[in-house]
Amino acid sequence: KQEVTQIPAALSVPEGENLVLNCSFTDSAIYNLQWFRQDPGKGLTSLLLIQSSQREQTSGRLNASLDKSSGRSTLYIAASQPGDSATYLCAVPMVRDDKIIFGKGTRLHILP
Amino acid sequence: AAGVIQSPRHLIKEKRETATLKCYPIPRHDTVYWYQQGPGQDPQFLISFYEKMQSDKGSIPDRFSAQQFSDYHSELNMSSLELGDSALYFCASSLGLGQGYNEQFFGPGTRLTVL
Repeated sequence: KQEVTQIPAALSVPEGENLVLNCSFTDSAIYNLQWFRQDPGKGLTSLLLIQSSQREQTSGRLNASLDKSSGRSTLYIAASQPGDSATYLCAVPMVRDDKIIFGKGTRLHILP
Repeated sequence: AAGVIQSPRHLIKEKRETATLKCYPIPRHDTVYWYQQGPGQDPQFLISFYEKMQSDKGSIPDRFSAQQFSDYHSELNMSSLELGDSALYFCASSLGLGQGYNEQFFGPGTRLTVL
């Protein structure tokens, strides 16, 4: 059974800092790995999707890496801004049935 | 570009009542997934449909049922509502199933509150 773990559960950093969010998964039989952003009470915004054959994916100040063999992914946020405050969810679609397994998220708070 | 549409966006019900949530997938998408996200929790897979047939089932209570119609929209029916059913319900759609991964696109969610 796939388990997705995110560390830390919560993080507060001053504005302007670079930061790393971690995700680990137990079953490497994945198609890809996806990072989502969720604002309180709101929907899921897809940030980055890394195919299992890729090592990393970049979008603006965001960079996500994937090490499938070790079951790890990181989301790097450069030059953090207060608007980056949200919960970041790591999500893994399973090869066998396509359903997505989510981590419990990292609640990020960027201090102005 | 057209996105996944969910209705209603907000719904308030009393205990033991019934609720119906609707999902309209992206045009030409034939697969629909339902997820439930309780307060402070991560989204949990409930059920999915491919070409109007149930393709997978997760932690969906027996009080819930769902179907996919000929136009590919889906409805999640929830009966005998309990306080613990209060959650954000997401629908996602994709094109195809079992032929390599097809990205799931999420709707904005329906917030169900059971009083």
